[in-house]
Amino acid sequence: AQSVTQPDIHITVSEGASLELRCNYSYGATPYLFWYVQSPGQGLQLLLKYFSGDTLVQGIKGFEAEFKRSQSSFNLRKPSVHWSDAAEYFCAVGAYNNDMRFGAGTRLTVKP
Amino acid sequence: EPEVTQTPSHQVTQMGQEVILRCVPISNHLYFYWYRQILGQKVEFLVSFYNNEISEKSEIFDDQFSVERPDGSNFTLKIRSTKLEDSAMYFCASRERGMNTEAFFGQGTRLTVV
Repeated sequence: AQSVTQPDIHITVSEGASLELRCNYSYGATPYLFWYVQSPGQGLQLLLKYFSGDTLVQGIKGFEAEFKRSQSSFNLRKPSVHWSDAAEYFCAVGAYNNDMRFGAGTRLTVKP
Repeated sequence: EPEVTQTPSHQVTQMGQEVILRCVPISNHLYFYWYRQILGQKVEFLVSFYNNEISEKSEIFDDQFSVERPDGSNFTLKIRSTKLEDSAMYFCASRERGMNTEAFFGQGTRLTVV
């Protein structure tokens, strides 16, 4: 069965600074990988996804993620964080049928 | 833009009561899911549904839970006898046919069991 580890429970960055959120997955086959963002009291919004092909994927709101099979990682990055990026970020891994397993989430705080 | 719709947005129920959470998936989608998020915790997979039957379920999805697609548009999650620990946000998701397709999530139903 697939599983996801997000090692950082909480990250604080200054506005304008770069961001990297870590995600490691465990899955026996080629994974489908996702990053979702959740603002307080809101649903889950898909930031980006990886199914196959180019290992660097671009998403919405200026986010990107890189799939590294050798490290079983799918880290999320943004070159310059905005105050509106403060939210909870979830990495998820899916099987071919998309039954996803989510990580515990990383809460991002942005300092002015 | 098509979206997954969940009703109600918030439901309060007494312990032991039955609740039905409703979802209207995106119209051409064929795969349906329920996920749960206890406050402050991660999103947990409950069940997936395809071709009018459960395709996979987690250990959380025990006999008190059931899912149904009663007509061509709705997808429901029933909790037979609610417990305090069922209090959570419940998310419905749907996905269209094909392997390289992502699931779209509704805004969730917050269930509070008192």
